[in-house]
Amino acid sequence: EPEVTQTPSHQVTQMGQEVILRCVPISNHLYFYWYRQILGQKVEFLVSFYNNEISEKSEIFDDQFSVERPDGSNFTLKIRSTKLEDSAMYFCASMNGVGEKLFFGSGTQLSVL
Amino acid sequence: AQRVTQPEKLLSVFKGAPVELKCNYSYSGSPELFWYVQYSRQRLQLLLRHISRESIKGFTADLNKGETSFHLKKPFAQEEDSAMYYCALKRGGSNYKLTFGKGTLLTVNP
Repeated sequence: EPEVTQTPSHQVTQMGQEVILRCVPISNHLYFYWYRQILGQKVEFLVSFYNNEISEKSEIFDDQFSVERPDGSNFTLKIRSTKLEDSAMYFCASMNGVGEKLFFGSGTQLSVL
Repeated sequence: AQRVTQPEKLLSVFKGAPVELKCNYSYSGSPELFWYVQYSRQRLQLLLRHISRESIKGFTADLNKGETSFHLKKPFAQEEDSAMYYCALKRGGSNYKLTFGKGTLLTVNP
């Protein structure tokens, strides 16, 4: 079965630094998502992306966050100036069409020190 | 705003015993409900969704709108069912913005 790929699996950064989390969605998928899970808490929706623009975002997804699909295969999440509370597991997901199955990546564990 | 509650953080049963993982939701419209599973060191994957009315790996879940519940059931648990189970809700017409519960860690003992 095709998979959503995320790199790196672990990322450690200093507070205030910029980080870019990378995802390669399944090749024929059209809808892309980022979710995150702070340790011990729920998986939370961050943003959805379709047709090269954000279609929906949560209140967590403030000006410090941005997403991009730079080359038709990668889907990135950038955090401009990381805070301690950004430490979490970040999941990328993709889907072929509305009503179809959502496929998750294995996640990037971000640790902000 | 929608909310998903999984009251049990941990659930432990013996192999062959029935298992029920509880999920309650609050949402005023017509939701779509899902169960996702995460086996040890693996990714989140869809187990089943209420609109499909299917049984996957022996698991079933029925949406009860009166009780706003979507409990996951299996009559005879197997050791390989040990995993983290998440109930999730999507607003009707929403763009796959899922609201997750906190999850229940199921352990099936031999």
